[in-house]
Amino acid sequence: GEDVEQSLFLSVREGDSSVINCTYTDSSSTYLYWYKQEPGAGLQLLTYIFSNMDMKQDQRLTVLLNKKDKHLSLRIADTQTGDSAIYFCAERTGGFKTIFGAGTRLFVKA
Amino acid sequence: GAVVSQHPSRVICKSGTSVKIECRSLDFQATTMFWYRQFPKQSLMLMATSNEGSKATYEQGVEKDKFLINHASLTLSTLTVTSAHPEDSSFYICSALRDRVGGNNQPQHFGDGTRLSIL
Repeated sequence: GEDVEQSLFLSVREGDSSVINCTYTDSSSTYLYWYKQEPGAGLQLLTYIFSNMDMKQDQRLTVLLNKKDKHLSLRIADTQTGDSAIYFCAERTGGFKTIFGAGTRLFVKA
Repeated sequence: GAVVSQHPSRVICKSGTSVKIECRSLDFQATTMFWYRQFPKQSLMLMATSNEGSKATYEQGVEKDKFLINHASLTLSTLTVTSAHPEDSSFYICSALRDRVGGNNQPQHFGDGTRLSIL
C-alpha cells in the first residue's frame, strides 16, 4: 500500500542545520514534495523534486532523494526561529492522489 | 501565483446548523480540487476529490450526505457540512491542482484552512 513516514519531532539551535527525513513505499511515485504548515494555517509548498533527480537546492533548502531506499530528506541551512513549523513530506503516486506523512514538528531554540 | 483562497477562516455555530466552506483558485483554473480534514497534531486526511462538472469522489468512511461537495466552476469548490455536530469540529483544508495541458504532475496548492467549531 501507499505510506509515507517521518519522524514526529526535531529540535535544533538557531543557526544550525536541520535535517528532516522521510520514507515512502510507492516505487511509482512521480513527484515528492515538502510542505510547511504554521499554526492555524494551511500548507505552503516549500519545494519538490522529480523522482529521477537525486538532489535539488533552493536557497537554504536542499532536498536529497535516494530512490533505491525510498528515502527523502529536507535540509534547512542556518535555521531561524521563523522556520519553526510542521513540515510534511508527500508523494504523488501514479494518479492524482497525494499521500502525506504525519508531519515533523520543527522547534528552533534561540 | 497559484493562490488558493478559502473562506471563512473560522466558524463557530450551534449543533444542527449547516455550514458552507468555499475554496477558490484565484489565478488559475482547477478542474480538480481536494478537501482534507486535519485533527489536532495529526496529518491531513483526504475526504474527497472534487471534479468540476461531475460528482465528487469520496474516500472510504466519509459520508456523502454529510459532506456535500459542489464544484460548479473551474475556480470554485464548496464543502457543506450538513446538520453539523460537535464531532464534526475540525480544521478543514482545501487544495487545488492547476490545470495543465499535457499532463498533470503539478503540486497541490492549499488554502489557509477553516477551523470549524460546533457547540
